Amino acid sequence: DSGVTQTPKHLITATGQRVTLRCSPRSGDLSVYWYQQSLDQGLQFLIQYYNGEERAKGNILERFSAQQFPDLHSELNLSSLELGDSALYFCASSPDVETQYFGPGTRLLVL
Amino acid sequence: DQQVKQNSPSLSVQEGRISILNCDYTNSMFDYFLWYKKYPAEGPTFLISISSIKDKNEDGRFTVFLNKSAKHLSLHIVPSQPGDSAVYFCAASAGYGQNFVFGPGTRLSVLP
Repeated sequence: DSGVTQTPKHLITATGQRVTLRCSPRSGDLSVYWYQQSLDQGLQFLIQYYNGEERAKGNILERFSAQQFPDLHSELNLSSLELGDSALYFCASSPDVETQYFGPGTRLLVL
Repeated sequence: DQQVKQNSPSLSVQEGRISILNCDYTNSMFDYFLWYKKYPAEGPTFLISISSIKDKNEDGRFTVFLNKSAKHLSLHIVPSQPGDSAVYFCAASAGYGQNFVFGPGTRLSVLP
């Protein structure tokens, strides 16, 4: 157990819909990262927040957005969903630059 | 453009033997590297790291070697155990506060 929690565990929705994925970092970790893992692909970095502010942006689509709240939990919002958005979405938290602790992931299926 | 490459999608090794997983990178600004292990239906788990001021780091059965001139690192697992069967990701960072770039992963199968 990494100490990072993600909800929901599974999500099934239809194309065109909008979903919100939630992440609670380990206690004391200020950084939160979001990653997408599609079938047969490695982890793709989406976005990083540090203490409520966006720190780095990766391959995140304009249809996707994220935020980190004052209590440090983070939400990833995916809108106008397409079939290709079906993937595992991981959140990770970090106390420093040296490592990241990953949550169990949210499996999203867009039908 | 893939900045971190793991050119072997899969690797099979006999139990007790050495597993060597390779990773190449193109960005010379990368100065911190990590290896993660991932089991199906779980998040990646941190294994071992190395900074660019070192060329080797050891932790139990796991050793990471870094060759900066070749922009290459490798993870050695000795001896390999069936429980090591997983997907291994190499990741690199260009410094404090910079995001990690992951390789596509190598699936290791350790055969009993």
